[in-house]
Amino acid sequence: KNQVEQSPQSLIILEGKNCTLQCNYTVSPFSNLRWYKQDTGRGPVSLTIMTFSENTKSNGRYTATLDADTKQSSLHITASQLSDSASYICVVPSSNDYKLSFGAGTTVTVRA
Amino acid sequence: DVKVTQSSRYLVKRTGEKVFLECVQDMDHENMFWYRQDPGLGLRLIYFSYDVKMKEKGDIPEGYSVSREKKERFSLILESASTNQTSMYLCASSSAGAIYGYTFGSGTRLTVV
Repeated sequence: KNQVEQSPQSLIILEGKNCTLQCNYTVSPFSNLRWYKQDTGRGPVSLTIMTFSENTKSNGRYTATLDADTKQSSLHITASQLSDSASYICVVPSSNDYKLSFGAGTTVTVRA
Repeated sequence: DVKVTQSSRYLVKRTGEKVFLECVQDMDHENMFWYRQDPGLGLRLIYFSYDVKMKEKGDIPEGYSVSREKKERFSLILESASTNQTSMYLCASSSAGAIYGYTFGSGTRLTVV
């Protein structure tokens, strides 16, 4: 069964600090991995999409890494801001059907 | 800018009512999806459609039905709303064969009382 596991479930950090979120997946066959940011009460918005051949991808202060051998990805937030408070969801589509496998998300709270 | 629009942000309905959640996309996408999102469970697929009048069950279709009469519109129907259907409902769309371009709507928070 395709699965996506995220850790930690939640974390609290001080404004300006860095943090790293983890995603482990067992989805096969693998085509790409995405990180979404979901603000409270809103729909998820794509941060990065990483294909099999990409190891690192940045989007502003967000940097995602992918290790396709160990089936792990991380999302690093640099110099956090209050607006980074959100749920971050790791999503892995299966390349041979329409379905996506979602992690349960990591809730990040940035405090002043 | 591409858009997936859900008709209501918040909805309160009574147990037993028939509820319609509407979703419209302006990207000419073939695929459309309905998910529900509950704390600790993540997003779960209810139904998806890969073409007009075509639909397939997702992981949790019980208590729901869908309608896709036009390419841009995908409706989720709760035939007889129950309190365990209180949830956040998210619509999404993507182009055929290009699951990279997957766009979500802003969600509808449904409360059944």
